[in-house]
Amino acid sequence: KNEVEQSPQNLTAQEGEFITINCSYSVGISALHWLQQHPGGGIVSLFMLSSGKKKHGRLIATINIQEKHSSLHITASHPRDSAVYICAVTNFGNEKLTFGTGTRLTIIP
Amino acid sequence: DAGVIQSPRHEVTEMGQEVTLRCKPISGHNSLFWYRQTMMRGLELLIYFNNNVPIDDSGMPEDRFSAKMPNASFSTLKIQPSEPRDSAVYFCASSYGVLQETQYFGPGTRLLVL
Repeated sequence: KNEVEQSPQNLTAQEGEFITINCSYSVGISALHWLQQHPGGGIVSLFMLSSGKKKHGRLIATINIQEKHSSLHITASHPRDSAVYICAVTNFGNEKLTFGTGTRLTIIP
Repeated sequence: DAGVIQSPRHEVTEMGQEVTLRCKPISGHNSLFWYRQTMMRGLELLIYFNNNVPIDDSGMPEDRFSAKMPNASFSTLKIQPSEPRDSAVYFCASSYGVLQETQYFGPGTRLLVL
């Protein structure tokens, strides 16, 4: 079973700061997902990646397959970025997602 | 596209009652997933279907839980009898393709068993 760990568990920052959330996993994967869960509970898929880097607006996700590590970066953070960010991995041969425990991000105006 | 549709959005029931949660995946998607989220355990996969066939139900907690997908546009998750520890938010998600595809989540059903 793949163990997925995220850090930090909680992060509070001032508006405009550069944010980094980390995710590490124990077993080789086929893909890694970053999800955002809003305070209202809805879950949105932000990125799915298996190598390299992806960028969407102010969000950047990177993955290092050799080190079994991924990071999610937010540039010019804004209060609307406040949410729980969840890392999840899929293992080779199936579509099951194994989830990290999430990082609660709070951006203060 | 309406996205993944779940019903009901909220359910309050008494211990021992049967609960049925419903999900309509995005049209054209051929994989469907049921997840449960609690404060203690976070998000957990319960079961997933591919082309209406259950592929992995190892996350289903016990025999009180059952899931069906009679056709490509509808799935149910049933709990009978329900217990207070089943209180959680249940999410349905769907995706297109066999592997490594983005999953689209429904809004969830918040279940409270008294």
